[in-house]
Amino acid sequence: TAGITQAPTSQILAAGRSMTLRCTQDMRHNAMYWYRQDLGLGLRLIHYSNTAGTTGKGEVPDGYSVSRANTDDFPLTLASAVPSQTSVYFCASSPGLAGGYNEQFFGPGTRLTVL
Amino acid sequence: GQQVMQIPQYQHVQEGEDFTTYCNSSTTLSNIQWYKQRPGGHPVFLIQLVKSGEVKKQKRLTFQFGEAKKNSSLHITATQTTDVGTYFCAGPRRNNDMRFGAGTRLTVKP
Repeated sequence: TAGITQAPTSQILAAGRSMTLRCTQDMRHNAMYWYRQDLGLGLRLIHYSNTAGTTGKGEVPDGYSVSRANTDDFPLTLASAVPSQTSVYFCASSPGLAGGYNEQFFGPGTRLTVL
Repeated sequence: GQQVMQIPQYQHVQEGEDFTTYCNSSTTLSNIQWYKQRPGGHPVFLIQLVKSGEVKKQKRLTFQFGEAKKNSSLHITATQTTDVGTYFCAGPRRNNDMRFGAGTRLTVKP
């Protein structure tokens, strides 16, 4: 069982370009999340989804969009990247609904640099 | 909104010394989770505390949840080099997501 996979592992992106970070889970979890991790700020939630077809905004959603067409995939799109979006991005999933009492399982992360 | 504050930000210890990280919330938490992230890795769930005053142990790790459910701590006895990493606490926010603390980065000198 792979758990959660993310692609790409790392990327250098020119400012103003768009990019989609991919995330796939094989655990049939209902909830999925996107976090960004910056030094000294911990993990901050960007968007989440409780089930296919539904998404919600987290703590820092501006500049990002997500979709949840099915249970397994939860791509994160940067429509027009800016240098402040340089970060490590983690996808996560959990059984049941987002938040609350559910353990979150994290993917390996995508390191994004916007120049 | 609900904030989860974690201290210290960094801790450097000699192998064999004890280590403690503290997590404080501005509001009462229904539960709190702890995660560990090894250098270059991803966060991995350690434990969840739910009850007021709860204490749980995992080998050399002891987790506590305060009586008022506003604070929590993780204590490691006799640290080893394998304990190196960043430890995060996380508390729920409006049942839609978990708010993570900034983490405590532990380094251990052999």
